[in-house]
Amino acid sequence: LAKTTQPISMDSYEGQEVNITCSHNNIATNDYITWYQQFPSQGPRFIIQGYKTKVTNEVASLFIPADRKSSTLSLPRVSLSDTAVYYCLVGDHGSSNTGKLIFGQGTTLQVKP
Amino acid sequence: KAGVTQTPRYLIKTRGQQVTLSCSPISGHRSVSWYQQTPGQGLQFLFEYFSETQRNKGNFPGRFSGRQFSNSRSEMNVSTLELGDSALYLCASSYDNSYEQYFGPGTRLTVT
Repeated sequence: LAKTTQPISMDSYEGQEVNITCSHNNIATNDYITWYQQFPSQGPRFIIQGYKTKVTNEVASLFIPADRKSSTLSLPRVSLSDTAVYYCLVGDHGSSNTGKLIFGQGTTLQVKP
Repeated sequence: KAGVTQTPRYLIKTRGQQVTLSCSPISGHRSVSWYQQTPGQGLQFLFEYFSETQRNKGNFPGRFSGRQFSNSRSEMNVSTLELGDSALYLCASSYDNSYEQYFGPGTRLTVT
C-alpha cells in the first residue's frame, strides 16, 4: 500500500475554495485514490474516489495529474460545517487488502467565519 | 436506506473484563470492517468479515476477535480489557471489497 503525505492542518475562511494536496510517490498501477471526511466523534465519511485525471461529484473535485504521484481534493466555497479531518487513502482492491482502509494522520481543516 | 448502526454507543468497563460490540451493516452490504481510533494511534484496521468469514486482519493481539452472522451483522469481542483499549470502535460496511465504506457512529469504550 502506498504511503501518503498530506499537510497536518489548514485554515480557510467561509466561501473560499480549499485545496488539500496529498503526496503518494509510490502509488502502484492498480491503486485508487480515495478521500474521507471525519467530524469529531463520528465515523469517517466517503467523499470521492478517482484513478486518474479529474473526478467531480456534488461535494468535491479530485484532481490527479498524469504521473499520479499526488492528488488534490478541492472543496468549493467551504462553510463552517466543512471543518473536519480529511484523509487521503491510496490502495487497490486486491485480495490482500480486502476491506482494509489505511488511514494516515489526515489534514485538519479549520474553516473560520 | 438505514445507515450502519452500532450498539452500544457508550460503554464503561473495568480492566480485566471482556466486552462485545455489535454492528448492523447497511442492508445488502456483505462486508463489515472494524477499526479502532485513538488520539495516539489514529484509525487502525482490526479485521474484515465477508459472508461470515474473516478475510483480513490487522495487527492486533488475539484478545480482539470478531464474527459475522448470516444476516451480515457483526460483533467484535475484546477479552481481558486493558486501559489502552479505551478507544472509539468503528464499524464500516460495503457491498463488496470496496474503498467506499460506510461507517457507523462508533462505540466509545472507556476502560477504567
